[in-house]
Amino acid sequence: NAGVTQTPKFRILKIGQSMTLQCAQDMNHNYMYWYRQDPGMGLKLIYYSVGAGITDKGEVPNGYNVSRSTTEDFPLRLELAAPSQTSVYFCASSYQQNTDTQYFGPGTRLTVL
Amino acid sequence: QQPVQSPQAVILREGEDAVINCSSSKALYSVHWYRQKHGEAPVFLMILLKGGEQKGHEKISASFNEKKQQSSLYLTASQLSYSGTYFCGTEIGWGADGLTFGKGTHLIIQP
Repeated sequence: NAGVTQTPKFRILKIGQSMTLQCAQDMNHNYMYWYRQDPGMGLKLIYYSVGAGITDKGEVPNGYNVSRSTTEDFPLRLELAAPSQTSVYFCASSYQQNTDTQYFGPGTRLTVL
Repeated sequence: QQPVQSPQAVILREGEDAVINCSSSKALYSVHWYRQKHGEAPVFLMILLKGGEQKGHEKISASFNEKKQQSSLYLTASQLSYSGTYFCGTEIGWGADGLTFGKGTHLIIQP
């Protein structure tokens, strides 16, 4: 199993550009999450999904959108990138929501200039 | 509400013990502990559930005081590989909106 994979690993965007961060898992997990981690800080939940077709906002959803058309994939879309979105983005998945390990992908380091 | 971790940082010699604390202003359903090394993804260590159930790493122990809304992670006979940043993530109830993470505790183990 590859676990949780994320692409790209690094990306530099100009202000106002858009991009999609890809996340995929091959563990047949229903629950998937997107977090952002700013330097020296903990992780903050952006969006999460409890299954294909179902998504919900986390703590910091503004400026982002998600979709979940399949169990495996959970892309995160940035529209009109801003410098405040410079961060490391982690995707994670779990079998159950509250009582189970969250498996994290390797992260995408995004810089908005 | 973000949980508060203490200490913010600690430096130990190899073989010494450490305790990392996580406290919340809200009643907790579960506490999750993760370790992150620089430039890497967080890695699961342990889950502590309301009612006493624990799941996790056999060489790391932790406690969960539901009344005090606190959890502590105990690292005994620390090894160089224990270095990293430790995060607690908390949930306030079943079906709640995912984990809320603390700011982390930086642990440095010196030979």
